[in-house]
Amino acid sequence: DAGVIQSPRHEVTEMGQEVTLRCKPISGHNSLFWYRQTMMRGLELLIYFNNNVPIDDSGMPEDRFSAKMPNASFSTLKIQPSEPRDSAVYFCASSRSPGQGGEKLFFGSGTQLSVL
Amino acid sequence: QKEVEQDPGPLSVPEGAIVSLNCTYSNSAFQYFMWYRQYSRKGPELLMYTYSSGNKEDGRFTAQVDKSSKYISLFIRDSQPSDSATYLCAMEKNNNDMRFGAGTRLTVKP
Repeated sequence: DAGVIQSPRHEVTEMGQEVTLRCKPISGHNSLFWYRQTMMRGLELLIYFNNNVPIDDSGMPEDRFSAKMPNASFSTLKIQPSEPRDSAVYFCASSRSPGQGGEKLFFGSGTQLSVL
Repeated sequence: QKEVEQDPGPLSVPEGAIVSLNCTYSNSAFQYFMWYRQYSRKGPELLMYTYSSGNKEDGRFTAQVDKSSKYISLFIRDSQPSDSATYLCAMEKNNNDMRFGAGTRLTVKP
């Protein structure tokens, strides 16, 4: 099992540019989550999908952020236009069917985003 | 007030010490309580999981949940340098909306 795979590992871009982060969840997992981690705010849930359908996007900061999950094995998080305050580590995580809660989350290694 | 409060530390202890990590929370609807461990430049990994109140032990690790006080703890016995990491508490109702603490950075010195 390769685990959750994220790409790129590092992204450095200039303010105003479009950024696309990619995630491949663990095969067989039905739920996918995007988190953002900063020193100031810790780990924040941005959006999660169940069976490829967005369930809760209330954590998405603003309209500059968008996420898609076109199929069970791929998701993207896009920031357009990017701003310096978007600099953070972005994690993707997956889990089996949510059920009653308490499902174990499997995290990828994250994408370190720096917006200059 | 944040839903989940966790002292970010850092915490430094000598090898072999007992480590106590804690979180408090404000939402009584939380039912699932977890501790994740995060090594530098890695994603968090689930370490311990507890449903509702009580204790759970796994080797050198013990997780405690006191719902009446809205307080959870993680104890590490005989701490090792390999335990050096950031420990995040996490809790969830029953809707997959997991809330994380800020994380406590722990260093165990040989």
